[in-house]
Amino acid sequence: KNEVEQSPQNLTAQEGEFITINCSYSVGISALHWLQQHPGGGIVSLFMLSSGKKKHGRLIATINIQEKHSSLHITASHPRDSAVYICAVTPTGNQFYFGTGTSLTVIP
Amino acid sequence: KAGVTQTPRYLIKTRGQQVTLSCSPISGHRSVSWYQQTPGQGLQFLFEYFSETQRNKGNFPGRFSGRQFSNSRSEMNVSTLELGDSALYLCASSLDRHFYEQYFGPGTRLTVT
Repeated sequence: KNEVEQSPQNLTAQEGEFITINCSYSVGISALHWLQQHPGGGIVSLFMLSSGKKKHGRLIATINIQEKHSSLHITASHPRDSAVYICAVTPTGNQFYFGTGTSLTVIP
Repeated sequence: KAGVTQTPRYLIKTRGQQVTLSCSPISGHRSVSWYQQTPGQGLQFLFEYFSETQRNKGNFPGRFSGRQFSNSRSEMNVSTLELGDSALYLCASSLDRHFYEQYFGPGTRLTVT
């Protein structure tokens, strides 16, 4: 049983499209993280959320604690957004449970 | 500020051998976590260290162990290597244990033959 489920697994979009990636979790959490991984392996933390909504540039992350659901939105997508996006939750401390990731390809 | 560094970046070992990987966190960061990433299982949490103590451990056999030094640098060790241990091993550091952003290192790519 996977504590974190992401959808879709794969996503192809045209440049400029609005993109949504969804994450559902089944455990109580202290925080939810959205991570970005480019080919070659490097992982960057995009957001850490415990409630509400956060925005960085064209990226928006929301979380609904009652429904145990989070979404990552990318507005005006660009080919450089092509990467794997990973949802992760921390029930306690820095112990992470990871989703399987969403592979995003943005076509020019 | 320098980022999280991991050494070595690539490693090839033979079944049955042991390996030690090193992680140097960002200066001032006291929490270090280790993760294993494989194509089949994705990212999995190995363990978390804070103040030289293991605070959390993932579901891995006892062949996987780690430690943290007083300067927050951390090492992980895998004994009696198996083919299935081939993976990208990532470490991440954060200022403290709760509600702090994690900064990931570039990883060590371990291949077991």
